[in-house]
Amino acid sequence: AQKITQTQPGMFVQEKEAVTLDCTYDTSDQSYGLFWYKQPSSGEMIFLIYQGSYDEQNATEGRYSLNFQKARKSANLVISASQLGDSAMYFCAMRVTDSWGKLQFGAGTQVVVTP
Amino acid sequence: SQTIHQWPATLVQPVGSPLSLECTVEGTSNPNLYWYRQAAGRGLQLLFYSIGIGQISSEVPQNLSASRPQDRQFILSSKKLLLSDSGFYLCAWKGDDYGYTFGSGTRLTVV
Repeated sequence: AQKITQTQPGMFVQEKEAVTLDCTYDTSDQSYGLFWYKQPSSGEMIFLIYQGSYDEQNATEGRYSLNFQKARKSANLVISASQLGDSAMYFCAMRVTDSWGKLQFGAGTQVVVTP
Repeated sequence: SQTIHQWPATLVQPVGSPLSLECTVEGTSNPNLYWYRQAAGRGLQLLFYSIGIGQISSEVPQNLSASRPQDRQFILSSKKLLLSDSGFYLCAWKGDDYGYTFGSGTRLTVV
């Protein structure tokens, strides 16, 4: 069975600083995908970044980058130059590549950006 | 373009009452569809998933059921709501690439 672990329930970060959100996963499959989503207080799920298990380069999307360490089964999200609008819940998720495409989520990390 | 509609946005229902939440997708055909529930301050729990009309699979046993009467329609139901059914319900569909699109969610409070 697949499992996603986010060990940081909450974090405070100062505006303009970088923050790293931890995510570890457990799967016996060789082909899988890792996702990070942002959920503001409105509840919408906003896709941030994706990393495929066979991707050799770490994924980057603007201020978001994914530190993918396959051997350690870790997929940490780095947010550079934090902004007040980054305050939200952040979820790590994993999809095993099968016909169902089920997405499993971690418990999330609440990020609060302070001025 | 592909869009996903979910309604209602909020719902307050008494214990023992029925439930019907609807999700429809536009701009795609034969999508994989999912229902998730999120308890307050928690992660998303997958409830049901469907790869086609009438093809529903359940992740966890519970007081809820799902149906897919049309290709782009996914319905979450309950005959009698429990207090523990309260939460934030999200519908999602999987695109042709690796991406997923989520609906805006329904905040259900059972009183």
